[in-house]
Amino acid sequence: SYELTQPLSVSVALGQTARITCGGNNIGSKNVHWYQQKPGQAPVLVIYRDSNRPSGIPERFSGSNSGNTATLTISRAQAGDEADYYCQVWDSSTAVVFGTGTKVTVL
Amino acid sequence: QVQLVQSGAEVKKPGASVKVSCKASGYTFTGYYMHWVRQAPGQGLEWMGRINPNSGGTNYAQKFQGRVTMTRDTSISTAYMELSRLRSDDTAVYYCARENSGYDLAVIDYWGQGTLVTVSS
Repeated sequence: SYELTQPLSVSVALGQTARITCGGNNIGSKNVHWYQQKPGQAPVLVIYRDSNRPSGIPERFSGSNSGNTATLTISRAQAGDEADYYCQVWDSSTAVVFGTGTKVTVL
Repeated sequence: QVQLVQSGAEVKKPGASVKVSCKASGYTFTGYYMHWVRQAPGQGLEWMGRINPNSGGTNYAQKFQGRVTMTRDTSISTAYMELSRLRSDDTAVYYCARENSGYDLAVIDYWGQGTLVTVSS
């Protein structure tokens, strides 16, 4: 079955840039989506198809995907960006796969 | 506006079954796949499966095959997820979530509020 691996945690200083990775075998050949989940809330889609933002998502959120790693980048990090972030793909054999999740802390 | 409203919290004994409902409004229910995702306390998101509300066709995660059943009632725009032979490690928040293929295959754009299912003797 297909697996997606994320770092357990990422810390970023206020106003700086956070990068969250999502590793998977040849993930660059798949479309990667990213969700933000704050405590006690349902997830929210922040990036779809590697690098596209749904309406209402700030330009500070961006994404890329190549080789075996996809990356979600949060620029000019704000306190409100503190959350768990999950990558997700569709795999032909496993169907929907979520990454292990990354907790982002803004210092 | 799109809303997914789930049924309330449940407490079940090991070996029992639970059925969670998800009432959709604000869009054409039969036009979008509905997914079920669960999250154990302090853990990550786990995909359980999805249903095509138009045809009733389902895709289940291999882990839940034989234990999960997803159904729908189009007359009341409601999807259901039933999980049987419950174990303590099934304790989790269960979410229904709408797929929007306009973004891409299996991209979820709306989520229910979640239903806490507690399995305890």
